[in-house]
Amino acid sequence: QKEVEQNSGPLSVPEGAIASLNCTYSDRGSQSFFWYRQYSGKSPELIMSIYSNGDKEDGRFTAQLNKASQYVSLLIRDSQPSDSATYLCAVIYSSASKIIFGSGTRLSIRP
Amino acid sequence: EAGVAQSPRYKIIEKRQSVAFWCNPISGHATLYWYQQILGQGPKLLIQFQNNGVVDDSQLPKDRFSAERLKGVDSTLKIQPAKLEDSAVYLCASSPSTTYNEQFFGPGTRLTVL
Repeated sequence: QKEVEQNSGPLSVPEGAIASLNCTYSDRGSQSFFWYRQYSGKSPELIMSIYSNGDKEDGRFTAQLNKASQYVSLLIRDSQPSDSATYLCAVIYSSASKIIFGSGTRLSIRP
Repeated sequence: EAGVAQSPRYKIIEKRQSVAFWCNPISGHATLYWYQQILGQGPKLLIQFQNNGVVDDSQLPKDRFSAERLKGVDSTLKIQPAKLEDSAVYLCASSPSTTYNEQFFGPGTRLTVL
């Protein structure tokens, strides 16, 4: 089992719809979770962090964390073409106190 | 505020040659990270510095990779000798503290080993 697992996509979503990105992780003791956006040929940029179970909203973005089920998700409301990118999930592994990135989900917003 | 600077942006070398990358973090950021990102994969942490001390280098292939952060500011990552599988983007990031919150990434160096 991969330490941090994401569907590679591509996930195609019509403009204006909700995009839902999922991530599962294997370390039950992990406490810190991040979503990064990476445009093609660019470096990652942090868009959300979440530490507690439940939802965290920031503008059009909502991160959801369920530690019991070991998954974290990112919802993007009112998707725009500019949201087309690869979204990386990152988890701080408590066992080794190191950050592990998933391989990313490629999101494509179609007009 | 200036971002994380990296150079060179691109480098092409032949296998068994040596190469070095440079990173200057955001001013005042104590923690500096080097990542390797192979095409289609997420970044893999190679080494983390806190000021000029190493916090984590467990995934650094120490037989060929080395890194230093003299004076706790800028840093260099070296590969000697390079292998074909080292072809990747090398990302430098910095953050104000030892936690992984709010890492700011530089533009990266794309390395091609022929």
